[in-house]
Amino acid sequence: DAKTTQPNSMESNEEEPVHLPCNHSTISGTDYIHWYRQLPSQGPEYVIHGLTSNVNNRMASLAIAEDRKSSTLILHRATLRDAAVYYCILRDSWTQGGSEKLVFGKGTKLTVNP
Amino acid sequence: SAVISQKPSRDICQRGTSLTIQCQVDSQVTMMFWYRQQPGQSLTLIATANQGSEATYESGFVIDKFPISRPNLTFSTLTVSNLSPEDSSIYLCSVRGNTEAFFGQGTRLTVV
Repeated sequence: DAKTTQPNSMESNEEEPVHLPCNHSTISGTDYIHWYRQLPSQGPEYVIHGLTSNVNNRMASLAIAEDRKSSTLILHRATLRDAAVYYCILRDSWTQGGSEKLVFGKGTKLTVNP
Repeated sequence: SAVISQKPSRDICQRGTSLTIQCQVDSQVTMMFWYRQQPGQSLTLIATANQGSEATYESGFVIDKFPISRPNLTFSTLTVSNLSPEDSSIYLCSVRGNTEAFFGQGTRLTVV
């Protein structure tokens, strides 16, 4: 299974941009890079995903390195509600049951200061 | 999108007993996934549940400890059997959409 490496924690100030890095040096050519976040006492929620090109949606932007060995999730203006654990996940290989599974790493705990 | 309801949201159980967790989805899905999140840890996949067939368990998880039912395309249960304090965790169910996964709010289990 391809692995990802993220910093354990990061801090930001409210209304400032946040850049959350992720290293995935063993990524395969067909792996998508997914980001999920888990707010306190909630299940994870999807943030964004991409394959090769940078991606934008209403929640965030995803910048993918040209060699695809790293990516960065960008929150353009952090709010207190963005305080969460952010997981960078490579869409993994098939499970024994024949369906894709999401393999969660430890993630980055983002603290947003008022 | 999919909306997932889990019951109960939390429970405190005596060691040696069992807890059954229900997961209801608002649309029909082929596969449902059960995860465990131990205190302060990330999510670990327990098993994948297909409707009409036996669940597929990940390494380290066995059917006797975590029996799963999948009676139809919108519902699944996970039972955590013969509870011990080490089973104190959050248990989450999940389904896969076209491009993203959806998760329930989780069931927080405390074993005393």
